Amino acid sequence: AQTVTQSQPEMSVQEAETVTLSCTYDTSESNYYLFWYKQPPSRQMILVIRQEAYKQQNATENRFSVNFQKAAKSFSLKISDSQLGDTAMYFCAFMKKRGGSEKLVFGKGTKLTVNP
Amino acid sequence: DADVTQTPRNRITKTGKRIMLECSQTKGHDRMYWYRQDPGLGLRLIYYSFDVKDINKGEISDGYSVSRQAQAKFSLSLESAIPNQTALYFCATSDPTPTTPPDTQYFGPGTRLTVL
Repeated sequence: AQTVTQSQPEMSVQEAETVTLSCTYDTSESNYYLFWYKQPPSRQMILVIRQEAYKQQNATENRFSVNFQKAAKSFSLKISDSQLGDTAMYFCAFMKKRGGSEKLVFGKGTKLTVNP
Repeated sequence: DADVTQTPRNRITKTGKRIMLECSQTKGHDRMYWYRQDPGLGLRLIYYSFDVKDINKGEISDGYSVSRQAQAKFSLSLESAIPNQTALYFCATSDPTPTTPPDTQYFGPGTRLTVL
């Protein structure tokens, strides 16, 4: 079974600074996807960024980027120019892609606070 | 995401009561999911459905049942609620066709359920 580990239960960063959230995962699959979801206090789950395992290039979405290290099974999220609206829980998630089975396995989350 | 709605948004019930949580979507997606979120545990998959006739158990299906009434509706039932089913419940949808990213799940706003 796949597992996802987020080793930082809580983090804080000053507004406009850069912060990196860690995620590691365990799988024997070679074809899979990785995601970061954001959950603000409104509790809505919002997709931040996704990475396809067979793509070596790291995904980027505006101020959000990932450092995907497939051999190390590491998938960290970097938030640049942090904003107050980035305050949220962040979840790393794994999905194996085989036979159309699209089930997300989530980590336990990292609570990020952006301070003014 | 207004395309995926959940009712009720909040519910308090008593031990032993039957309760149904409903999910509706206007995305036209075939695939629907129910997740449960507990503090410190992230989200865990309860049931998923790839079409009206295809329903599958997830990681933590004991104590729950589901009904896929139509492509757009997927309900989760607790036949006899117990206090440890107190949690935040999310519905999600996805579409495996090539026109949309097949790996992206879209979440509803969540239902906060309290079992006394």
